[in-house]
Amino acid sequence: KAGVTQTPRYLIKTRGQQVTLSCSPISGHRSVSWYQQTPGQGLQFLFEYFSETQRNKGNFPGRFSGRQFSNSRSEMNVSTLELGDSALYLCASSPASGGINTGELFFGEGSRLTVL
Amino acid sequence: KNEVEQSPQNLTAQEGEFITINCSYSVGISALHWLQQHPGGGIVSLFMLSSGKKKHGRLIATINIQEKHSSLHITASHPRDSAVYICAVVTGTASKLTFGTGTRLQVTL
Repeated sequence: KAGVTQTPRYLIKTRGQQVTLSCSPISGHRSVSWYQQTPGQGLQFLFEYFSETQRNKGNFPGRFSGRQFSNSRSEMNVSTLELGDSALYLCASSPASGGINTGELFFGEGSRLTVL
Repeated sequence: KNEVEQSPQNLTAQEGEFITINCSYSVGISALHWLQQHPGGGIVSLFMLSSGKKKHGRLIATINIQEKHSSLHITASHPRDSAVYICAVVTGTASKLTFGTGTRLQVTL
């Protein structure tokens, strides 16, 4: 079974641009969650989607948004990029309907974003 | 004060030693995750707990809901166990994950 796939793996943007990251969960997993990891703040929860609906959200500004498609693939978008958005963005899928609440999390390798 | 505190922050052990990593939290939770992150960034889920104790191979995780504390034990440690171990708690009615800062473990021969 293929694992969680994130694309692109690396990207460089400039301040003010926007970026879209993609996450394909393990087949059959309907919960997808997103995380930001930086050296200063560590891992932080962005949001979780289940069956195309955002179920939970962390404490990030509205510039960070996401969506989930009917095939459970998910995208996250960051608009008006700031230098502080440079980070490793990770997604995880879960086989449980409870997602982060009840299920094991399977992480992708991440998308490393650099904002210049 | 962080909602999730891990100790120690750094840990060096010799191969074969018994290792304990602690996680304390200050809020009510519905679940707790233990994660392992190797250099290069890949994260692996080790355990998801809401009560009691779980064991997988040389790894044991326990949680005491009343004391708001969880421990991760590694028996017969091995250099391949060298990684950062992170605990994360699920909180709130609109569940969200809050992470500890991690424990960096180095196991030497």
